[in-house]
Amino acid sequence: DGGITQSPKYLFRKEGQNVTLSCEQNLNHDAMYWYRQDPGQGLRLIYYSQIVNDFQKGDIAEGYSVSREKKESFPLTVTSAQKNPTAFYLCASSISGTSNTEAFFGQGTRLTVV
Amino acid sequence: GENVEQHPSTLSVQEGDSAVIKCTYSDSASNYFPWYKQELGKRPQLIIDIRSNVGEKKDQRIAVTLNKTAKHFSLHITETQPEDSAVYFCAAGLGVGSGNTGKLIFGQGTTLQVKP
Repeated sequence: DGGITQSPKYLFRKEGQNVTLSCEQNLNHDAMYWYRQDPGQGLRLIYYSQIVNDFQKGDIAEGYSVSREKKESFPLTVTSAQKNPTAFYLCASSISGTSNTEAFFGQGTRLTVV
Repeated sequence: GENVEQHPSTLSVQEGDSAVIKCTYSDSASNYFPWYKQELGKRPQLIIDIRSNVGEKKDQRIAVTLNKTAKHFSLHITETQPEDSAVYFCAAGLGVGSGNTGKLIFGQGTTLQVKP
């Protein structure tokens, strides 16, 4: 199943609450990424990590936070500061963070603010 | 910043016809150009990719061409079938040494509909 797992598949959040999306990979990949998918806007990069214990902001990092304490895990926290969090979130990983290679995607988490 | 523009946003073709999707990128140091297919409700999956030292690559009914001078690349699907219906994304991988290596910038996506 691609070796990269996101959970949960669906998530509902009340306004003002933080929520954490899980992403785990068993592919021994160095690099991991979080993308947000909105209709007509493609995949926009939130955060990425080229190696464990290091991560960098993407194009739309405001209102999000991440950690990379383990090579296989890259959780994304959607904070109350994110003004429009309802979206489909995709996690991905690739073998290397220092060269351009194929990104493998998880099945996604659909977050809805209620 | 880095940008990838993808056109058209929607494309409808008859089964058996060809489909072409085009992308342009802004970072001239980009050196990796993958194409992903996302079927409804599923994750994006790589269908073909090309690196900057190659001008064209084929895999059965799909091909990708790259024009580095013009900074654009295209996906060509021949003899389209209904199962080709999906959203297609292009992406550009940024150059080495910029601190951005490994980072993919995606286009906005093209919804392809193949009518039987």
